[in-house]
Amino acid sequence: GDSVTQMEGPVTLSEEAFLTINCTYTATGYPSLFWYVQYPGEGLQLLLKATKADDKGSNKGFEATYRKETTSFHLEKGSVQVSDSAVYFCALSDEEFWGQNFVFGPGTRLSVLP
Amino acid sequence: EAQVTQNPRYLITVTGKKLTVTCSQNMNHEYMSWYRQDPGLGLRQIYYSMNVEVTDKGDVPEGYKVSRKEKRNFPLILESPSPNQTSLYFCASSRWTGVEGSEKLFFGSGTQLSVL
Repeated sequence: GDSVTQMEGPVTLSEEAFLTINCTYTATGYPSLFWYVQYPGEGLQLLLKATKADDKGSNKGFEATYRKETTSFHLEKGSVQVSDSAVYFCALSDEEFWGQNFVFGPGTRLSVLP
Repeated sequence: EAQVTQNPRYLITVTGKKLTVTCSQNMNHEYMSWYRQDPGLGLRQIYYSMNVEVTDKGDVPEGYKVSRKEKRNFPLILESPSPNQTSLYFCASSRWTGVEGSEKLFFGSGTQLSVL
């Protein structure tokens, strides 16, 4: 079945450092790819998405590019802030299996120190 | 305001005592789903519903029941809770776009359940 693998962390960075969180996937169809973020005590919320190969999703300074050849969707940010401290989930959605198609990775906890 | 509302936010119960966690969305979404979140395991799908009266099992359905009698509500029922069901639960909903592909999920704030 479909699956998502991501670095589990925790990842600890200093403010203004560069961030990369790796995400790779396996899917039988042509999935859409997502990054969700979970701030402490809250539910998940969509950070960015990409629906086809070579698409770049971006939001709040975060970016990720859909790489079909490497089945990857790595999250990057050039300069992290303390407010970016959260858990980040990579996810896929495979339209061939609509009902069960939101598959999440295990999450990566990011802590940004001032 | 568009939202998914779960209740209660926190729940402590004892083994075997039936409980229901409610979930309601005000966005007229067709698709609703329940997940549990456990450390190191991420989110795992329990049950999902494509529309009213249409439900199906996710990856970890054992010990849970759901119903979808109205479009806006999707309660999660634990008939006889056990300690291994201690977890953080999330309800989510999404619009069904058919051939246009997947829409993003809207999540509730979560229910922290402890079964003693």
